[in-house]
Amino acid sequence: GDSVTQMEGPVTLSEEAFLTINCTYTATGYPSLFWYVQYPGEGLQLLLKATKADDKGSNKGFEATYRKETTSFHLEKGSVQVSDSAVYFCALNPYGGATNKLIFGTGTLLAVQP
Amino acid sequence: GAVVSQHPSWVICKSGTSVKIECRSLDFQATTMFWYRQFPKQSLMLMATSNEGSKATYEQGVEKDKFLINHASLTLSTLTVTSAHPEDSSFYICSGDGPNEKLFFGSGTQLSVL
Repeated sequence: GDSVTQMEGPVTLSEEAFLTINCTYTATGYPSLFWYVQYPGEGLQLLLKATKADDKGSNKGFEATYRKETTSFHLEKGSVQVSDSAVYFCALNPYGGATNKLIFGTGTLLAVQP
Repeated sequence: GAVVSQHPSWVICKSGTSVKIECRSLDFQATTMFWYRQFPKQSLMLMATSNEGSKATYEQGVEKDKFLINHASLTLSTLTVTSAHPEDSSFYICSGDGPNEKLFFGSGTQLSVL
């Protein structure tokens, strides 16, 4: 079945370091791909998304490119801040739409130290 | 903006008791509410989908008689874990479909059953 695999955390970085959180997926159709972020005490929020191959989603300095050939959607940021400390979830929608059921990865805790 | 308020944030209960988790959509109406759970080091897994005024649809392996979902109004959905046992200890989170085809998540409930 469809699934998402993301790197295990926690990931600990110093401020201004480069961030990569790996995410790969398995899907039979043409899924949409998402990154959600959960700050402490809050609900998951959509960070960025991509709906087709080679699309790049970006928001708040974060980027991820939908790579069909490697079935990946890695999250990157050039210079992290303490305020980026959160749990990041990679997800896919196997039906391609923005709503409906989502399949999530395990989440990766990012801790950024000053 | 649109927010889903989820309560309680954490709950500890004795084995055999029932626990109710509430999710309220603030400033929007959620026709569909999704309920997820996450066991330690595992993915956030969809348990069930509920549409306002109708019975919930449960994912394979989720006992509908144990996890009672009520979505009686467009702003309130509840999940009741009946006769909870230690293996039900998990992180439960809800999400509702909101404006602009976005999903809005609650902040989650950590359930510990002794």
